[in-house]
Amino acid sequence: SQTIHQWPATLVQPVGSPLSLECTVEGTSNPNLYWYRQAAGRGLQLLFYSVGIGQISSEVPQNLSASRPQDRQFILSSKKLLLSDSGFYLCAWSVFGTANQPQHFGDGTRLSIL
Amino acid sequence: GQSLEQPSEVTAVEGAIVQINCTYQTSGFYGLSWYQQHDGGAPTFLSYNALDGLEETGRFSSFLSRSDSYGYLLLQELQMKDSASYFCAFNSGGYQKVTFGIGTKLQVIP
Repeated sequence: SQTIHQWPATLVQPVGSPLSLECTVEGTSNPNLYWYRQAAGRGLQLLFYSVGIGQISSEVPQNLSASRPQDRQFILSSKKLLLSDSGFYLCAWSVFGTANQPQHFGDGTRLSIL
Repeated sequence: GQSLEQPSEVTAVEGAIVQINCTYQTSGFYGLSWYQQHDGGAPTFLSYNALDGLEETGRFSSFLSRSDSYGYLLLQELQMKDSASYFCAFNSGGYQKVTFGIGTKLQVIP
């Protein structure tokens, strides 16, 4: 069966510090991968998605970046965090190739910027 | 532009039926999905409609009208555990791109 791992579960970082969140998927090949951010009580904002190694589509220009160094690994990074980067970050995967495949989410990372 | 609209909050009584509406605006529409998210948890997939009509999965049903750019999620025999946020979402662009609505917070009361 397929599983998605996302870590850490919670993170407290000072303003201006770097960030690296990692997400890995097991049990499937060539998945579509996604990073979302959710502010408290709000919807999911799509940040990045990837349909293959090294292929990243950015939806929101900001101080975040994403990379996909391996087929089932997706990394969200920042060189300098802002207060506005606080939120609940969710990684998700879906089966490559068709539009009717559901998104499967990781447990998320709660990021607090101080 | 691309957008989805759904009510921010709905309250319903245990055992009743509730309908959560979603209207959308986009080009290159592929289908409408619904997700459930309990407080503090991750969203989980409920249903997907690519074609007009009703899809039923147990107590949950989802409807789509492509001509009206409208869909809804119907929850029957409400249980307290159904208290959660419900998001509609569509695939668009190169189908891989998924856009979510702001979510409807459903509160089920005794």
